[in-house]
Amino acid sequence: DQQVKQNSPSLSVQEGRISILNCDYTNSMFDYFLWYKKYPAEGPTFLISISSIKDKNEDGRFTVFLNKSAKHLSLHIVPSQPGDSAVYFCAAYGSSNTGKLIFGQGTTLQVKP
Amino acid sequence: EAGVAQSPRYKIIEKRQSVAFWCNPISGHATLYWYQQILGQGPKLLIQFQNNGVVDDSQLPKDRFSAERLKGVDSTLKIQPAKLEDSAVYLCASSQEASPLHFGNGTRLTVT
Repeated sequence: DQQVKQNSPSLSVQEGRISILNCDYTNSMFDYFLWYKKYPAEGPTFLISISSIKDKNEDGRFTVFLNKSAKHLSLHIVPSQPGDSAVYFCAAYGSSNTGKLIFGQGTTLQVKP
Repeated sequence: EAGVAQSPRYKIIEKRQSVAFWCNPISGHATLYWYQQILGQGPKLLIQFQNNGVVDDSQLPKDRFSAERLKGVDSTLKIQPAKLEDSAVYLCASSQEASPLHFGNGTRLTVT
């Protein structure tokens, strides 16, 4: 039962362009959604989050959009930089069980110079 | 602040052997988690501690996996006996209330 899905295993974009990473979920009880970034041989690091009461959250070059009716969220990186090349995980949890993050499979982003 | 510390970084064992992983969370973080990440998949929660009590271990294969968090600080995760399908990266994470999880760099386990 894959409650959080990232259907694109990989994405390649040119430096300076926009990167859009997508994530779908099935559990309507999820209240919070997070994006984590992971470099090889390192643990995931928190990037940005959004509460289900919002539809957009922005932090510098990173913006997360949430469409609750479609059970879909996306991460936009503008402009993309080579240092953004990493695996990006979408994760979600319900406020009744804070901390039990359910992760997607991850999307490998490659930003070409 | 110092991050989540895990050891060892890598471990290779034969099936049916036992192995243990250690985690030291960020100071002051009451909640500690162990996740299993199989290649090509996202991390999956194995067990969650609040101080030294277990909050959630519903996905821990209790016939072979065990975990403890003595004194509400460090934690160890043990596998005995290991199976081939246990090959994965074992990630420890910690958090304060309502804050994002901070992950360690993980232990990569290979079972041959």
